[in-house]
Amino acid sequence: DTGVSQNPRHKITKRGQNVTFRCDPISEHNRLYWYRQTLGQGPEFLTYFQNEAQLEKSRLLSDRFSAERPKGSFSTLEIQRTEQGDSAMYLCASSSPRGGEGVSTEAFFGQGTRLTVV
Amino acid sequence: DAKTTQPPSMDCAEGRAANLPCNHSTISGNEYVYWYRQIHSQGPQYIIHGLKNNETNEMASLIITEDRKSSTLILPHATLRDTAVYYCIVRGHSGGYQKVTFGTGTKLQVIP
Repeated sequence: DTGVSQNPRHKITKRGQNVTFRCDPISEHNRLYWYRQTLGQGPEFLTYFQNEAQLEKSRLLSDRFSAERPKGSFSTLEIQRTEQGDSAMYLCASSSPRGGEGVSTEAFFGQGTRLTVV
Repeated sequence: DAKTTQPPSMDCAEGRAANLPCNHSTISGNEYVYWYRQIHSQGPQYIIHGLKNNETNEMASLIITEDRKSSTLILPHATLRDTAVYYCIVRGHSGGYQKVTFGTGTKLQVIP
């Protein structure tokens, strides 16, 4: 499968624990995005990487959240001291900077990591 | 990015055309209309986009009114697998940067 891969698919954690999610983008995509989606709502943008540089962060990304993309390939999203309000689906997407024959510039999404904080 | 308005839900009989409307009366001249869909428990999937001309691909057709204040996504022969939430988004086309602002979309139920 050459699509965007996210692990784990599901995570249940106790309030106050730290969790880390991983995203492997499509290999030739240098742009990577994290979104959060709560029940009944559309996905909300969290942050954006171009290669290893984090170029944009949403106000939704509180101090307890940190995202990294150390080598410009896979990315991790860590939530420290989880709260029940952090329960959501965390989606990762990637895109290519340039179009061309058979190459789309659109964002491709992974299947997400569903976090439940109990 | 301009705001869009979509009906919260629609039904469509299997095999019939599904026509999903979207209002975007504040769209500006350089903004495109994009459609994504999200099948239950999956990530969003890009469907189609356009500026002012009608567009068609293997998934759907996009009809944009002449004043560009509204558009319709058409699934010509809906199947049960088309049951999903469909998002209409209006945004600039900024060189591949694909930050997307989603609304709540239209939940399409295809009925056997």
